[in-house]
Amino acid sequence: AQSVAQPEDQVNVAEGNPLTVKCTYSVSGNPYLFWYVQYPNRGLQFLLKYITGDNLVKGSYGFEAEFNKSQTSFHLKKPSALVSDSALYFCAVRDIFRGGYNKLIFGAGTRLAVHP
Amino acid sequence: DAGVIQSPRHEVTEMGQEVTLRCKLISGHNSLFWYRQTMMRGLELLIYFNNNVPIDDSGMPEDRFSAKMPNASFSTLKIQPSEPRDSAVYFCASSSREGAYNEQFFGPGTRLTVL
Repeated sequence: AQSVAQPEDQVNVAEGNPLTVKCTYSVSGNPYLFWYVQYPNRGLQFLLKYITGDNLVKGSYGFEAEFNKSQTSFHLKKPSALVSDSALYFCAVRDIFRGGYNKLIFGAGTRLAVHP
Repeated sequence: DAGVIQSPRHEVTEMGQEVTLRCKLISGHNSLFWYRQTMMRGLELLIYFNNNVPIDDSGMPEDRFSAKMPNASFSTLKIQPSEPRDSAVYFCASSSREGAYNEQFFGPGTRLTVL
């Protein structure tokens, strides 16, 4: 079965510093990977996805993610963190099941706290 | 576009009562997902519809939960009877097509509290 792991419950970073939120995956076949963000009292919002092509994927709000096949990782990054980036971040992987339908399998989430 | 619309945003009810959560998809979307989010269990997929047909309901906790999609733009999730352990935030999400590249668009959620 497809799965993703987010090894950190929380990441703390100072405003202006680079941030990394980690995600590793386990899939059979080619991985389709996603990052979503959840702000307080809101639904999840799509940030970016990797389907194929360049290993560095750029997304919304200045975020990017690096796909690393050898390390089975898809870490989320931003060169300079903002206090407004503080939120809950979810990594997800596509799971194909019967009939060719697919759904997303989400990780447990990582809470990012950016301090002034 | 207004995005995915959910109602009510908050629901407080007593154990044993029936609860109905509602979701309106983004126009033109044909896939609908119901999720439940709790601190203990994280984000769980409850049921998935494609073109109004339930495709995967393996995440529905038990028979007390039921979901319908009476038309292409609207869905309900019903809990009858409700129990305190059903307290959670329930999200619906829609996507534009069945395929490998589909992003899901989430509604704002319904926060359910069962006393």
